[in-house]
Amino acid sequence: LAKTTQPISMDSYEGQEVNITCSHNNIATNDYITWYQQFPSQGPRFIIQGYKTKVTNEVASLFIPADRKSSTLSLPRVSLSDTAVYYCLVGLSLDSSYKLIFGSGTRLLVRP
Amino acid sequence: GAVVSQHPSRVICKSGTSVKIECRSLDFQATTMFWYRQFPKQSLMLMATSNEGSKATYEQGVEKDKFLINHASLTLSTLTVTSAHPEDSSFYICSASNRVNMNTEAFFGQGTRLTVV
Repeated sequence: LAKTTQPISMDSYEGQEVNITCSHNNIATNDYITWYQQFPSQGPRFIIQGYKTKVTNEVASLFIPADRKSSTLSLPRVSLSDTAVYYCLVGLSLDSSYKLIFGSGTRLLVRP
Repeated sequence: GAVVSQHPSRVICKSGTSVKIECRSLDFQATTMFWYRQFPKQSLMLMATSNEGSKATYEQGVEKDKFLINHASLTLSTLTVTSAHPEDSSFYICSASNRVNMNTEAFFGQGTRLTVV
């Protein structure tokens, strides 16, 4: 399973765009890239998922270069309520070892 | 998204007793469920993966006799912490997935805060 590397923490201000990059050098051909958000004392919440190029939904965009060895979660115009830990996961494969392994995550602090 | 309900959300128990945590997928059939443990300021640590109708697969270092997992139906998995000790105090989170294709997402419960006194 691919291991992910993210910055431990990031600071931002309200209204700014935040980009969090995740490295996954050993990503397998069948692996998708999924990002989750977690608030204190809550379970993680799905943000976005992609395989290649760019994916956009109502809350975020996900940029994946051609080699798929990294991905960038983009949060447009963050607010205070976006302060949370963001996790990048890879490895939703269909074989018998299908499992979700969390890395250290990125602790985002949004300041007023 | 789909809903995964975890119960109880918070439990305090005496050392030496057992505690059962339930994880239910409310609007889909979960072929696979994951159980995690999370200590303060740390990431989620996968404890075990369970597929409906078969034995759970435990991660290295997780005692299967202490953390009993049952996935008897497509909508319910339970984690029983047996003979709990204070060091078992943690935040336990379940996740459920219906992996119909490779881009299936997993849905998480709200977590259970276990305190062993």
